[in-house]
Amino acid sequence: DGGITQSPKYLFRKEGQNVTLSCEQNLNHDAMYWYRQDPGQGLRLIYYSQIVNDFQKGDIAEGYSVSREKKESFPLTVTSAQKNPTAFYLCASSNEGFYGYTFGSGTRLTVV
Amino acid sequence: EDKVVQSPLSLVVHEGDTVTLNCSYEVTNFRSLLWYKQEKKAPTFLFMLTSSGIEKKSGRLSSILDKKELFSILNITATQTGDSAIYLCAVVGAGGTSYGKLTFGQGTILTVHP
Repeated sequence: DGGITQSPKYLFRKEGQNVTLSCEQNLNHDAMYWYRQDPGQGLRLIYYSQIVNDFQKGDIAEGYSVSREKKESFPLTVTSAQKNPTAFYLCASSNEGFYGYTFGSGTRLTVV
Repeated sequence: EDKVVQSPLSLVVHEGDTVTLNCSYEVTNFRSLLWYKQEKKAPTFLFMLTSSGIEKKSGRLSSILDKKELFSILNITATQTGDSAIYLCAVVGAGGTSYGKLTFGQGTILTVHP
């Protein structure tokens, strides 16, 4: 079945450590997105990529980094510069023309 | 900067009530507006709206877009406890720096009591 796989589902890290969240899709979608969601709130865009080897900052990119070396993969690194990294992270992808979006099941990151 | 604002931020009703959720937007180049329902993890798709004045319906849910006034509403009639969720509105940019960018509002938390 086609879809987006995010891993791990739950992640615990100590303050000051970098951590990388995985997002893989087998939908052959060109565009991929990373969102952050805090409790009871909407989704805020961190980074997005419309094509391999290219990506743009979203609204809250500070303290995060991404890469897009393969069409299928869009990993997100939460760096130690991110002041409040504990949140729910969602990855999404969209088809050509941006008429359909598919979401992964998310990664809940807790920094202690 | 693209902006999507939803209201109210939270809403508590009883089963059988009808609710209207609002979404206003400012997008440099508008392509479409999407509504999602989020219960626990990934948002699930409800509607995509691209044209003004054409109502989309799915069971007890309906939605309409006004591109002149830059807003959309989502109506839920005869609410049920299973409608309790966060309802998210998002817009897709069509060109320039907004091309392909999916921007979400803050969401409306709907709670339906028995």
